[in-house]
Amino acid sequence: QVPLVQSGADVKKPGASVKVSCKASGNSFSGYYLHWVRQAPGQGLEWMGWITTNTGATTYAHKFQGRVTMSRDTSISAVYMELSGLRSDDTAIYYCATMKQLGFHWFDPWGQGTLVTVSS
Amino acid sequence: QSALTQPRSVSGSPGQSVTISCTGTSSDVGDRDYVSWYQQHPGNAPKLIIYDVFKRPSGVPDRFSGSKSGNTASLTISGLRAEDEAEYYCCSYAGSYIFYVFGPGTKVTVL
Repeated sequence: QVPLVQSGADVKKPGASVKVSCKASGNSFSGYYLHWVRQAPGQGLEWMGWITTNTGATTYAHKFQGRVTMSRDTSISAVYMELSGLRSDDTAIYYCATMKQLGFHWFDPWGQGTLVTVSS
Repeated sequence: QSALTQPRSVSGSPGQSVTISCTGTSSDVGDRDYVSWYQQHPGNAPKLIIYDVFKRPSGVPDRFSGSKSGNTASLTISGLRAEDEAEYYCCSYAGSYIFYVFGPGTKVTVL
């Protein structure tokens, strides 16, 4: 397993963008699929999409298409999730989570989460 | 609004068994055996406890078991312990358009 370390909490104003990072601690995560899942305060989990660490190919949930961009920097084993046009209901903890290969339909391990607060 | 349905809460005394249901449709839970379950303690990230309906990752006690019948998957916790008190989420692969859907979570309380 590849422990994942995420960036710290952030506060943004409505309409702004936020970029959250997720870095593999220790070994590279080359060949893995890094997913992003968010959790609004007191709410359940919501899948946002994934990025393929080898090629950088992305797949986004339809709800977030046009607002989310996932990217990677293989030189430092990091992936990023940028969400634009922030609204108050984007306030949530954003998690990155590993999927080792296509066909492995589960997430393990997860990063520790990054709280993003959207407030004027 | 979650795509999968779970009871909001279940409870049991130490040593008892509890079962959490996760109901979807023929397009997700009922389509293939790609249901996973996650345990989340307050303030922590979710942790995988069951994948592919019934498989347990290394290190997860065999008190946790999973099953599926039709469009409903289930997680059973046997020999309930105080540390099992947490929120439990089911997740299903839903095909190459929706991809992944979660349930709303079930709070397990150990009485």
